[in-house]
Amino acid sequence: GQNIDQPTEMTATEGAIVQINCTYQTSGFNGLFWYQQHAGEAPTFLSYNVLDGLEEKGRFSSFLSRSKGYSYLLLKELQMKDSASYLCAVMTTDSWGKLQFGAGTQVVVTP
Amino acid sequence: DAGVTQSPTHLIKTRGQQVTLRCSPKSGHDTVSWYQQALGQGPQFIFQYYEEEERQRGNFPDRFSGHQFPNYSSELNVNALLLGDSALYLCASSSKREPYNEQFFGPGTRLTVL
Repeated sequence: GQNIDQPTEMTATEGAIVQINCTYQTSGFNGLFWYQQHAGEAPTFLSYNVLDGLEEKGRFSSFLSRSKGYSYLLLKELQMKDSASYLCAVMTTDSWGKLQFGAGTQVVVTP
Repeated sequence: DAGVTQSPTHLIKTRGQQVTLRCSPKSGHDTVSWYQQALGQGPQFIFQYYEEEERQRGNFPDRFSGHQFPNYSSELNVNALLLGDSALYLCASSSKREPYNEQFFGPGTRLTVL
């Protein structure tokens, strides 16, 4: 099976930068996803990495190192609306469309 | 274009009862997956339906069953409800035509078992 670990909670101030780390152990890696989930709402897609390197999308960037089983999501210029849970999820080659999620990292943005 | 829709939004049941949750996928999607999300946890994969058949299954007992209809919509049935079944049930739809195999999630059904 897969182990996906991410910190439980992180706090940062408005305008700052926060980096959420995710480590995973899996066989047949076929991509890593980051989702944002506000309380009581559906997860929404933020990013996808399958090759090593950095993917930048506006204020959000995601990095992947396949050899280290490691990814991070970088949130820049934090806004109050970024307060949410951030979920790291892995897909494997033998399970198309099936996501294995970590427990999520609750990010709290303070004024 | 409507995204993924689910019904009902909230549901309260008692132990031992049975429940049916419904999901309509995003237009153009043919694959539906169901997830259970307990409070403070990440979603856990229950099963996936494609071409009206269960294609993959997570580590859930047989009390959890499903169905997919010819229009790609899906139902999740849970029998003999337990207190531990209280959770947010998420439906996700996808298609091999989507880049990244992205899963689009519905708003979920909040099930409370008393």
